Amino acid sequence: EAQVTQNPRYLITVTGKKLTVTCSQNMNHEYMSWYRQDPGLGLRQIYYSMNVEVTDKGDVPEGYKVSRKEKRNFPLILESPSPNQTSLYFCASSLSHRALAFFGQGTRLTVV
Amino acid sequence: GESVGLHLPTLSVQEGDNSIINCAYSNSASDYFIWYKQESGKGPQFIIDIRSNMDKRQGQRVTVLLNKTVKHLSLQIAATQPGDSAVYFCADSAPYDKVIFGPGTSLSVIP
Repeated sequence: EAQVTQNPRYLITVTGKKLTVTCSQNMNHEYMSWYRQDPGLGLRQIYYSMNVEVTDKGDVPEGYKVSRKEKRNFPLILESPSPNQTSLYFCASSLSHRALAFFGQGTRLTVV
Repeated sequence: GESVGLHLPTLSVQEGDNSIINCAYSNSASDYFIWYKQESGKGPQFIIDIRSNMDKRQGQRVTVLLNKTVKHLSLQIAATQPGDSAVYFCADSAPYDKVIFGPGTSLSVIP
């Protein structure tokens, strides 16, 4: 089954404690991206990757890092989480940056 | 920057009625449009797409209409069912540009 898998689904952490949200896709897609979803603001792109070892900032990259060492994986790293990063996060993959995207189930992060 | 927005943040319809969800976009260069459905607790899922060389495209119980003159598109859901309750996003993109998502419309189906 074609899917994008994120882990964990839920995470509560404290300010400053580094965390990683994993994302994996099994569709051999070149393009992957991370979004955060906040009430009234819709989906905002954090980072994206056009292919292995190629990543770039989206609209709201501050406080986040990503890596793309393999085609299937695109982890999101918060080196020092802050409460304003409390949000619902989605990973997505697609054939290209404009193609329809497959989204993961989401990760609800709470930073206290 | 360019943005895609929805006219109504919430929409309530009776089960069995038709639903119409609207979307306005601002980038006249946008030539590809996608509708996504996001059910509670899940990620967005692709519903239907349309390219700018078309005015209308039909799927199973869904139809997307595109009016390039006024930069507007709509998603019509026929015979709305309780399972259609969700947030619906439109998204647009122009060549060599990224996809921009609208804020979403919450559709509630009244039994």
